[in-house]
Amino acid sequence: GENVEQHPSTLSVQEGDSAVIKCTYSDSASNYFPWYKQELGKRPQLIIDIRSNVGEKKDQRIAVTLNKTAKHFSLHITETQPEDSAVYFCAASNRGSQGNLIFGKGTKLSVKP
Amino acid sequence: DGGITQSPKYLFRKEGQNVTLSCEQNLNHDAMYWYRQDPGQGLRLIYYSQIVNDFQKGDIAEGYSVSREKKESFPLTVTSAQKNPTAFYLCASSDRRAGELFFGEGSRLTVL
Repeated sequence: GENVEQHPSTLSVQEGDSAVIKCTYSDSASNYFPWYKQELGKRPQLIIDIRSNVGEKKDQRIAVTLNKTAKHFSLHITETQPEDSAVYFCAASNRGSQGNLIFGKGTKLSVKP
Repeated sequence: DGGITQSPKYLFRKEGQNVTLSCEQNLNHDAMYWYRQDPGQGLRLIYYSQIVNDFQKGDIAEGYSVSREKKESFPLTVTSAQKNPTAFYLCASSDRRAGELFFGEGSRLTVL
């Protein structure tokens, strides 16, 4: 089955700096890669996702890149702000076979003002 | 307001007791899920259901049971067979399997 590894487990940056979170997956059939953000005491929410037919996707300060050959994908946050502080989870699934999402263990991002 | 409602938000249980966590959605989603969240462990799938009257075990189903008698409802029972039940439980739904998940606010269960 699919296995998703996520690094780092914690990340601290200064406000305005960039943050990068990396994930690797094991199942080459996986083709859907979402990222969820969970603020303290709140529910996880989808912030961006990418499908395997795309190498990069950007939404304002957030971007995700996918390297299918190496089986890894990354979340990039530019110009970080204190409100970006949260736990971020990557996930992977095979939507063609309707596979369930497998989540990474999460990265706690702290943005210091 | 459309969304997912979990109750109770906090629950305390004595060892040996079963407890049922409620999950209701009004998003008209076919698929519903239960995840367990422990510090440093991410989100682990307990059970999922693609359609009414059908459900499947996830990665950590032992000690848990579910039912799906209505499209809107997917309650989770934590039985006394679950060896380490203290955790944060999240319910989610999606309009298709492996689509965007919409989560409830979670239920924190503490076994005393």
